[in-house]
Amino acid sequence: DAGVIQSPRHEVTEMGQEVTLRCKPISGHNSLFWYRQTMMRGLELLIYFNNNVPIDDSGMPEDRFSAKMPNASFSTLKIQPSEPRDSAVYFCASSQRITGRAEAFFGQGTRLTVV
Amino acid sequence: QKEVEQDPGPLSVPEGAIVSLNCTYSNSAFQYFMWYRQYSRKGPELLMYTYSSGNKEDGRFTAQVDKSSKYISLFIRDSQPSDSATYLCAMSLNRDDKIIFGKGTRLHILP
Repeated sequence: DAGVIQSPRHEVTEMGQEVTLRCKPISGHNSLFWYRQTMMRGLELLIYFNNNVPIDDSGMPEDRFSAKMPNASFSTLKIQPSEPRDSAVYFCASSQRITGRAEAFFGQGTRLTVV
Repeated sequence: QKEVEQDPGPLSVPEGAIVSLNCTYSNSAFQYFMWYRQYSRKGPELLMYTYSSGNKEDGRFTAQVDKSSKYISLFIRDSQPSDSATYLCAMSLNRDDKIIFGKGTRLHILP
């Protein structure tokens, strides 16, 4: 099993530019989570999907952030326009909730730097 | 009060010692409890998974859940330098709900 795959691994962009982060969950998993990790705030949940449907986006910081899951094997997190305070590591995780398990498996993350 | 509280450390212990890591939480409805280990510049990896109260053991690792006290623990026996990492507790209300994480405890095992 390839695990959760995120791209790019690193992204450096200028303030005001659009950033798109990508995630391929583990095959067969029906839940997907986007988290943001910083030293100050730890691992924060931004949004999660069950069966491709957004369930809770209360963690999305503001309208500059949007996430989509067009099918079971792909999700994107977009920031437009980006700001320096968006600099963080963004993780995608997936879970096989339909089997009754609750734990999530993480990708390696995208380290975003906005200058 | 945050939903999940975890001492950030760092916690330094000598090799071979028993390590105790803890989290407290405020929502008594949490049912699923997890511990993740995160090495520097890597994603969190699942270490232990428990449902409701009780103990679970896996090799050198033991997870305990005390729902009456809203307190969970992870014990590491015979600690090794390779155990040096950040340990995050996590919990969920049910299998369809979001997973909330503590901020993590940085652990250093001294050779």
